[in-house]
Amino acid sequence: EAGVTQSPTHLIKTRGQQATLRCSPISGHTSVYWYQQALGLGLQFLLWYDEGEERNRGNFPPRFSGRQFPNYSSELNVNALELEDSALYLCASRTQGMSYNEQFFGPGTRLTVL
Amino acid sequence: AQSVAQPEDQVNVAEGNPLTVKCTYSVSGNPYLFWYVQYPNRGLQFLLKYITGDNLVKGSYGFEAEFNKSQTSFHLKKPSALVSDSALYFCAVRDSHSGGYNKLIFGAGTRLAVHP
Repeated sequence: EAGVTQSPTHLIKTRGQQATLRCSPISGHTSVYWYQQALGLGLQFLLWYDEGEERNRGNFPPRFSGRQFPNYSSELNVNALELEDSALYLCASRTQGMSYNEQFFGPGTRLTVL
Repeated sequence: AQSVAQPEDQVNVAEGNPLTVKCTYSVSGNPYLFWYVQYPNRGLQFLLKYITGDNLVKGSYGFEAEFNKSQTSFHLKKPSALVSDSALYFCAVRDSHSGGYNKLIFGAGTRLAVHP
């Protein structure tokens, strides 16, 4: 069974540009979560999508947005990039059903803002 | 506020010795607790979880964790450490206020270094 995949692996942008990150969940998983892992800050919850809708978002500004497609893959968009947006962005997926089902993570996209 | 604390930034262990990575939590209601491991330049890998039942949970790669309700702790353990266990370990708890969102709250992470 294929795991969660993310693309690109690395992304280099300059301040003010926009970045688009992509995630494909494990087959059969309908929920996709996005996390930001900035140096020294641990994992911060960004967004949760389920069945094509944004269900919850963390404490991030509106320039962080995304969507989930009918095939349950997801896109994270970051507009007006700032230097502090440089981080590893992790996507995770899980099945619906039991609330204790674990999340499965992809390898991440490392975003560098110059 | 719900939270997870990993009091040690780094744990150093000699190969073959037992290891413990500490985690304490604060959450209302019954906690759902998770341990994940992150190797360099990789995503997080699920190790184990506590939902209910036996306080000692066994997981992947020989790891286990002990749930202690009175001390609100969920320490990760392994009887004999391997150099290949060197990685960043995260403890997480399900946010009980998130309803169906099942959002996880992560600790800051503990770097485990196993020396030959």
